Amino acid sequence: TQLLEQSPQFLSIQEGENLTVYCNSSSVFSSLQWYRQEPGEGPVLLVTVVTGGEVKKLKRLTFQFGDARKDSSLHITAAQPGDTGLYLCAGAQNFNKFYFGSGTKLNVKP
Amino acid sequence: DAGITQSPRHKVTETGTPVTLRCHQTENHRYMYWYRQDPGHGLRLIHYSYGVKDTDKGEVSDGYSVSRSKTEDFLLTLESATSSQTSVYFCAIAGRQHYEQYFGPGTRLTVT
Repeated sequence: TQLLEQSPQFLSIQEGENLTVYCNSSSVFSSLQWYRQEPGEGPVLLVTVVTGGEVKKLKRLTFQFGDARKDSSLHITAAQPGDTGLYLCAGAQNFNKFYFGSGTKLNVKP
Repeated sequence: DAGITQSPRHKVTETGTPVTLRCHQTENHRYMYWYRQDPGHGLRLIHYSYGVKDTDKGEVSDGYSVSRSKTEDFLLTLESATSSQTSVYFCAIAGRQHYEQYFGPGTRLTVT
């Protein structure tokens, strides 16, 4: 059983569309991270959110941590082909143990 | 670039043989992790280390052992490889804040 559930699993959209990816759990996390992974490479950290209700923006990407620190969302505005990849959320418990969601595979078509 | 290398990058081995994967970091970070990544499962923690000779199990540790004799090296050993251990293995280090990780390039292991 996955501690973190990500949805949707797959997303194929046209360039310029908006999208939201969700990461949900029944467990509380001390922090939550979002990573992007390209084929054949390791995940690359995008952002870390620590405080319940926190919102962070990274250019066209907006990340939100739920008030209860059990869930998070990633919103991409005006998606571009360069956003294509596997998006992974990961929750940290006890500051040193991380649990990953199964990922959302995003394909942005030009 | 977080200064993490993994070796080998690819390996094919037969069922029942021992295999050791190496993770090397140049960042002098205390925490190191081994994950496996399989379709539909994301990344699952195998073992982690919080210092030299200090290690602990993750959620999928059966069939794996680890050793950390130096800060910079974290070894993952499959004592007797099985086909279910065919996977991509990633090493990671925790950043200074502890709640972020930086990953190596991965090792693709095939057990035939």
